[in-house]
Formats: sequence, C-alpha cells, structure tokens
Amino acid sequence: EAGVVQSPRYKIIEKKQPVAFWCNPISGHNTLYWYRQNLGQGPELLIRYENEEAVDDSQLPKDRFSAERLKGVDSTLKIQPAELGDSAVYLCASSLRGVNSNYGYTFGSGTRLTVV
Amino acid sequence: SQQGEEDPQALSIQEGENATMNCSYKTSINNLQWYRQNSGRGLVHLILIRSNEREKHSGRLRVTLDTSKKSSSLLITASRAADTASYFCATEREGNKLVFGAGTILRVKS
Repeated sequence: EAGVVQSPRYKIIEKKQPVAFWCNPISGHNTLYWYRQNLGQGPELLIRYENEEAVDDSQLPKDRFSAERLKGVDSTLKIQPAELGDSAVYLCASSLRGVNSNYGYTFGSGTRLTVV
Repeated sequence: SQQGEEDPQALSIQEGENATMNCSYKTSINNLQWYRQNSGRGLVHLILIRSNEREKHSGRLRVTLDTSKKSSSLLITASRAADTASYFCATEREGNKLVFGAGTILRVKS
C-alpha cells in the first residue's frame, strides 16, 4: 500500500503567487485532513473532510485558502495569493474512523512551502 | 491553537536509557495518540489510548493516561539512536478533531 501521497514535496514561490498542493489518501479512508506545521511547532488543523463534505474548516483562512475533495477521494489545497507567513509544511492525513478504532491517522510526507 | 503541552521540550539521553515524555491537555477527550516525526518527514502514528484505558503497551513503548489529571506519559525503554525524533501527543475530541501539542525533541546519543 502506497500510504498517503502528497505532491509536490517542495515548493518555492514568490509572494502574491498562487500555489496548490495535492493529496491522495489511503484507499477506503473516509476522512481526510489538511494540517499546517510551522517550524518547531505541532501541526494545526486547517480542514477536515468526511467523504466529500468539509465538516470542519473553522481554522482555514478563507480569504486566501481553499480546498476541495472531489468524489471523496483525493484533495487539493490552494493558496491564492500566498504571503510570506504561509511558509510552512502542509501535511495531509487520512483515517478510517469508527467508534472502536484503534488506529490513528496516516500522514503523508508533506509539502514544504517557502514563500519569498 | 494547540491543546496538548508536552514536557520536556527537549530531552537528551544515552543509548540504552529510558525516555519519558509527558503531555497535559485541557478538555475532555475521546482518545489520546502519540506520534513520532523524524526531521523533514511526516508524522508516524505510534499508539492510541482511549479515554477509558489507563495503560497501553506496544513493543518498547508504554503509554499511561490519567483523565482525572488530564495527563499522559510516553515511556520508551532501552532507547536506541534511531529513536531520535520529535514526539507529539495529540488529543481527539468530540467530532473527531485531533489537536496536537508542540512536541518533545528526543536525542539519543550512541
């Protein structure tokens, strides 16, 4: 099994430019998450999907960030326009949630974004 | 905002010693999870403990949970150089929301 696949691995853009990140979760995982991780800190949730529905986007800066999960499978996170403070690692995770689940989330390797 | 707080922020030990990391949180939880992150990589799930469990083991890992004190600890026994990484606790609350702490940086010297 490939695990959670993210691309690109690294991205360097100039401020005010748009950028997009792609995530393919583990097959069959109904829940998908986008997290942002700043240097030296823990990940912070941006948005959570249950199938194709965004059920928690309270921490997504909606003026410049958008996300979609078409057909409840892979997902795209977009920033337009990017700001210097958006430099971070963007992590995608998926899980198969159930009341008695003993399994945590499976994370991708992340996309390291540098805005210059 | 991050709910969990790990203690210590950084820990340096010799290979073969045990490493203990603590985590405190503020609200009621469904479960608490520990993750490891090697430099520049994604997070790897280590262990999950439910709110009605008090202790759990997995290989060299031992996790305890005290819901009355809203705290958890992760013990790594007989540490190895390969255990060098950042360790995060994360609490899952109602609505399947997983909130991470700032992490503990563990360095195991060989």
